[in-house]
Amino acid sequence: SSELTQDPAVSVALGQTVRITCQGDSLRSYYASWYQQKPGQAPVLVIYDKNNRPSGIPDRISGSSSGNTASLTVTGAQAEDEADYYCNSRDSSGNHVVFGGGTKLTVL
Amino acid sequence: EVQLLESGGGLVQPGGSLRLSCAASGYTFSSYVMSWVRQAPGKGLEWVSGISGSGDSTYYTDSVKGRFTISRDNSRKTLYLQMNSLRAEDTAVYYCAKDRRCSTTSCSDFDYWGQGTLVTVSS
Repeated sequence: SSELTQDPAVSVALGQTVRITCQGDSLRSYYASWYQQKPGQAPVLVIYDKNNRPSGIPDRISGSSSGNTASLTVTGAQAEDEADYYCNSRDSSGNHVVFGGGTKLTVL
Repeated sequence: EVQLLESGGGLVQPGGSLRLSCAASGYTFSSYVMSWVRQAPGKGLEWVSGISGSGDSTYYTDSVKGRFTISRDNSRKTLYLQMNSLRAEDTAVYYCAKDRRCSTTSCSDFDYWGQGTLVTVSS
């Protein structure tokens, strides 16, 4: 399969920890990357190569992976973390890219 | 500072054509795979096409194969997407995106994105 599956919506209380998951067969072979997208803005890379953050991304955002599932964890969620989060990876052929359907994170 | 600036979007009738451009600056353009990613109104991200740094290899999602053509001019540091036989379902914001580290096939970690250009296919 070349699909990545994400829960459509997740909520977290301010200051608490939340995990967003991404499942797909291609994740057994390739790392997932994660993107944060706020309304009206372009996506921003927040995690690559399983658990690496680009400069400027806060360390409360982390990634992990096991088997066919990649996870993004926000530890001590802040109001500014409210956004849509997308995972992606190469597909099973290795030549194409596939995105998950996205998870809307609400910080209560 | 890396910058990607898309242009060329607009309103086009079904069956029509449009060419998108993405002007890059702030890095060695020819060293990285470039991709087009689109987002239909209220929907998620969809990878559309990718091209190697040299331009020799191109890749397409099935729904656009045979209708869209990706290309690049490394001397002008510009990425293109020629879109023909456009359909209503092609309506989306189109983003160009730079691969973080790969030059031949996308490694799917896009570290820089343009601001997007809106393509509307409607009669």
